Amino acid sequence: KQEVTQIPAALSVPEGENLVLNCSFTDSAIYNLQWFRQDPGKGLTSLLLIQSSQREQTSGRLNASLDKSSGRSTLYIAASQPGDSATYLCAVDGEGAQKLVFGQGTRLTINP
Amino acid sequence: DAMVIQNPRYQVTQFGKPVTLSCSQTLNHNVMYWYQQKSSQAPKLLFHYYDKDFNNEADTPDNFQSRRPNTSFCFLDIRSPGLGDAAMYLCATSRDYTQYFGPGTRLTVL
Repeated sequence: KQEVTQIPAALSVPEGENLVLNCSFTDSAIYNLQWFRQDPGKGLTSLLLIQSSQREQTSGRLNASLDKSSGRSTLYIAASQPGDSATYLCAVDGEGAQKLVFGQGTRLTINP
Repeated sequence: DAMVIQNPRYQVTQFGKPVTLSCSQTLNHNVMYWYQQKSSQAPKLLFHYYDKDFNNEADTPDNFQSRRPNTSFCFLDIRSPGLGDAAMYLCATSRDYTQYFGPGTRLTVL
């Protein structure tokens, strides 16, 4: 059974810093990995999707990497801003059936 | 704007009183999902539709049912809500692999 872990559970950094969020998964046979953002009391917003054949994806200040063999992904956020404060979740599709298994998320706070 | 809409945003029900949550989409996506998310936990997939084909997760309680009368709408029925069913219920859609989520319905059970 696929399990997804995100460490740390919470992270607080000053504005302007670059930071890395970590995600690990137990079964390396995945079809893709997605990173989402969730604001308090809201739904999820897709940030980046990495196919299993890809090593990384970039969108603006965000860069996500994928190392399937080691079961790890990172989300790099450059020049953090207070508006980046949210919970970031990673999720893997291990069956190719468009069914996602989520991690519990990292709650990120950017301090002005 | 094309989007995933959930109604109501907040729902309060009594223990054992049936409740229905609604999801609609203007994206014309063929796959729709229902997730349950309890406080500070990961979203947990309850079931999904691939077009009209219903796919139930093995550990989804029988208390939870779903209907998809057409491409645009999907409903989550909780037949006899218990206190443990209090959670955020998230609807999502996809056509390729990216999932698009609605804002969620927060269910409170008294």
